[in-house]
Amino acid sequence: DQQVKQNSPSLSVQEGRISILNCDYTNSMFDYFLWYKKYPAEGPTFLISISSIKDKNEDGRFTVFLNKSAKHLSLHIVPSQPGDSAVYFCAASESGTYKYIFGTGTRLKVLA
Amino acid sequence: KAGVTQTPRYLIKTRGQQVTLSCSPISGHRSVSWYQQTPGQGLQFLFEYFSETQRNKGNFPGRFSGRQFSNSRSEMNVSTLELGDSALYLCASSSGGAGAREQYFGPGTRLTVT
Repeated sequence: DQQVKQNSPSLSVQEGRISILNCDYTNSMFDYFLWYKKYPAEGPTFLISISSIKDKNEDGRFTVFLNKSAKHLSLHIVPSQPGDSAVYFCAASESGTYKYIFGTGTRLKVLA
Repeated sequence: KAGVTQTPRYLIKTRGQQVTLSCSPISGHRSVSWYQQTPGQGLQFLFEYFSETQRNKGNFPGRFSGRQFSNSRSEMNVSTLELGDSALYLCASSSGGAGAREQYFGPGTRLTVT
């Protein structure tokens, strides 16, 4: 049973436009969420986090939205740049733990 | 601040052998987690150590074990290697506290079992 799902395996966006990556979860005990960017043969790079006490967190071009009732979060990248092309993972953990469950990733391609 | 370092970066072992991987966390971080990444299963949590104690464990067989030293450095050991253990092994470093729970990953160790 996959507790964290990224249903879109890939996404293509034009440079300068908005990229929206989605993530759904099933475990209502999850209270902390992370987004990572990953290039091949490298470790994931931390992008942004959100706690369940918030519904939005912003850091530069990256904004994460959390809808607890829908058990859904999304990462918005505005404006998208070619260097953003990578695989993006969302991850979730239960209250107080550092045991993260990862989604399967979405490959983002930003077209110049 | 230096990032998370993992050694070695690449490793080739034979079935039945055992292997030890090493991780040095970000200075000041006390929590180290280990993950396995494979094309079929994605990123899966192995275990987390905090202050030399295993605090959380994933669903991996007992052949996978770890430990953490007083300087927060961690090692992961896999005994009796199987072909299916071929993967990228990632270490993640965190403060370990109850507040912000971000994890920062190292570059990984690519293990190939032949």
